[in-house]
Amino acid sequence: DGGITQSPKYLFRKEGQNVTLSCEQNLNHDAMYWYRQDPGQGLRLIYYSQIVNDFQKGDIAEGYSVSREKKESFPLTVTSAQKNPTAFYLCASSRQAINYGYTFGSGTRLTVV
Amino acid sequence: AQKITQTQPGMFVQEKEAVTLDCTYDTSDPSYGLFWYKQPSSGEMIFLIYQGSYDQQNATEGRYSLNFQKARKSANLVISASQLGDSAMYFCAMSHTGGGNKLTFGTGTQLKVEL
Repeated sequence: DGGITQSPKYLFRKEGQNVTLSCEQNLNHDAMYWYRQDPGQGLRLIYYSQIVNDFQKGDIAEGYSVSREKKESFPLTVTSAQKNPTAFYLCASSRQAINYGYTFGSGTRLTVV
Repeated sequence: AQKITQTQPGMFVQEKEAVTLDCTYDTSDPSYGLFWYKQPSSGEMIFLIYQGSYDQQNATEGRYSLNFQKARKSANLVISASQLGDSAMYFCAMSHTGGGNKLTFGTGTQLKVEL
């Protein structure tokens, strides 16, 4: 079955550490996205990529970095510059059409300890 | 800039009753799409229904229907015959032609279905 796989499901980070969240899709979708979800704030866009080797900043990109070396993969690195990284992170993919919704992964819950 | 507003942080409904979740949007783009997603406590986001800005009829998907009022810029979700499994967070979202299919989400409505 096609879908999006996010790993790990839970992640704990110490202060000052970089961590990388994995996102892999086998839907042959061109576009991929990373969203952050905090309680009461809905989903906010971190980064998105419409084609391989290209990506753009979203609304809250500071303290995060991404790469898109393969169509199937869009990893997100949370750097030590991100001051408040504790949140639920959702990866999604879609075709390139505004009437085509997203397919989401099951999310990664990141906690700073 | 595109904006989605969901003014109901929480809603209660009795099992088998219908419930309407409100969503208003703001955009200057003539071509856009409106979506509703369901997020159970497990965290996954489940696509429910889509409405295009040029669609003449309201979208329906099983027990879900979207009450699209373009002049009022509203896209309310109606769930008929509520079930206990409908208890979840519901998000309204919008895409637009100038946005590379980026979705802008509202803050969500927490729905609880009671016996």
